[in-house]
Amino acid sequence: EPEVTQTPSHQVTQMGQEVILRCVPISNHLYFYWYRQILGQKVEFLVSFYNNEISEKSEIFDDQFSVERPDGSNFTLKIRSTKLEDSAMYFCASTPGRGGTGELFFGEGSRLTVL
Amino acid sequence: QQQVKQSPQSLIVQKGGISIINCAYENTAFDYFPWYQQFPGKGPALLIAIRPDVSEKKEGRFTISFNKSAKQFSLHIMDSQPGDSATYFCAAARPPGNKLTFGTGTQLKVEL
Repeated sequence: EPEVTQTPSHQVTQMGQEVILRCVPISNHLYFYWYRQILGQKVEFLVSFYNNEISEKSEIFDDQFSVERPDGSNFTLKIRSTKLEDSAMYFCASTPGRGGTGELFFGEGSRLTVL
Repeated sequence: QQQVKQSPQSLIVQKGGISIINCAYENTAFDYFPWYQQFPGKGPALLIAIRPDVSEKKEGRFTISFNKSAKQFSLHIMDSQPGDSATYFCAAARPPGNKLTFGTGTQLKVEL
């Protein structure tokens, strides 16, 4: 069964360092998303991406964050200068279309720990 | 208002019992209401979903009840099993995209 894959599964970094989280969405999907989940809290939307540009972003997704689809398969989330409060599980998701079906397919997540 | 409120925060049910999780929303622009199931260390996985023109949807032991006038919806898990122990999130999506607003989650434990 096709799945969304994410790397790394866990990254520990020092405050102020740059971090890149990588995702390989399901191959025929066109829309890509990043969500995050602070430990024990709800899943929060960060950004959606379609046709090589951001479709929508939340207030969390400030200038320290960026997304890119550097090639035909990868979708990355970059945090330029990490803060302690960026510590969270980051989930990549993809969906074949943009209709309001809510049927997102999530990866297993990348846990980011900022020290 | 973009919030989706979910209760209870945690729930313990005996094997074979019924688990009920409730959610409420305010934004009438929401038009799709999925439930996601999350096991520890895994990403959320779609369990069942409903549109507001339907009052109930059943898939196996899982049923969503939807009350459009009250802006509430709930998940019922019949004959709950230990394998159902997980965190359940309700969510709401609005057109045109698939941006999900999640509830705060319910940690369900099904005991033998």
